[in-house]
Amino acid sequence: DIQMTQSPSSLSASVGDRVTITCRASQSISSSLNWYQQKPGKAPKLLIYAASSLQSGVPSRFSGSGSGTDFTLTISSLQPEDVATYYCQQSYSTPQTFGQGTKVEIK
Amino acid sequence: EVQLVESGGGLVQPGGSLRIYCAASGFTFSDYWMSWVRQAPGKGLEWVANIRQDGSEKYYVDSVKGRFTISRDNAKNSLFLQMNSLRGEDTAVYYCARDSLGAAVSDYFDYWGQGTLVTVSS
Repeated sequence: DIQMTQSPSSLSASVGDRVTITCRASQSISSSLNWYQQKPGKAPKLLIYAASSLQSGVPSRFSGSGSGTDFTLTISSLQPEDVATYYCQQSYSTPQTFGQGTKVEIK
Repeated sequence: EVQLVESGGGLVQPGGSLRIYCAASGFTFSDYWMSWVRQAPGKGLEWVANIRQDGSEKYYVDSVKGRFTISRDNAKNSLFLQMNSLRGEDTAVYYCARDSLGAAVSDYFDYWGQGTLVTVSS
């Protein structure tokens, strides 16, 4: 199975800050990497698919980059409504696997 | 509007069985692979199983192979997960998720249900 490792596990930043979350795959997954946002008590929501494609309706402050084994989710200007846990997920091979999550809080 | 609504969760004893359901609407159900994803209390997300558009291919995470069975009824726009020989570690919220549109086994999960809680405890 492909292991997905996110860093950091949690972060605290101020409103307006640029926030970066990284995700590393245990082997190359090309661009088969997706990012999800999950708010407490809610279902996950797709933000980015295929490493860098913004899902319809998602604010443009969210962006994704990377290929191979190293990927990044960036929030260009953190907003209060972005408080959530973020997960990366590879769809390169079965079983599809998720990172352990990154909890984002407001300082 | 795409909607996925899960039901059938509840409390079950270890070793018991449960069948959970997902009712789909707002899209052509038979065009998509569908998946089940679970989340244990306070933990991360774990993909459980998926099924091809016509039900001819099914894949499972190792921890549920031989115990869980995914199925679908395209005429009724419904997805199912039959869970047998349940264990404490199967306790989780189970989400139904829309998966790949095409031939790919999986692309991304673009729509999710609200989840149904399965608790395995004596």
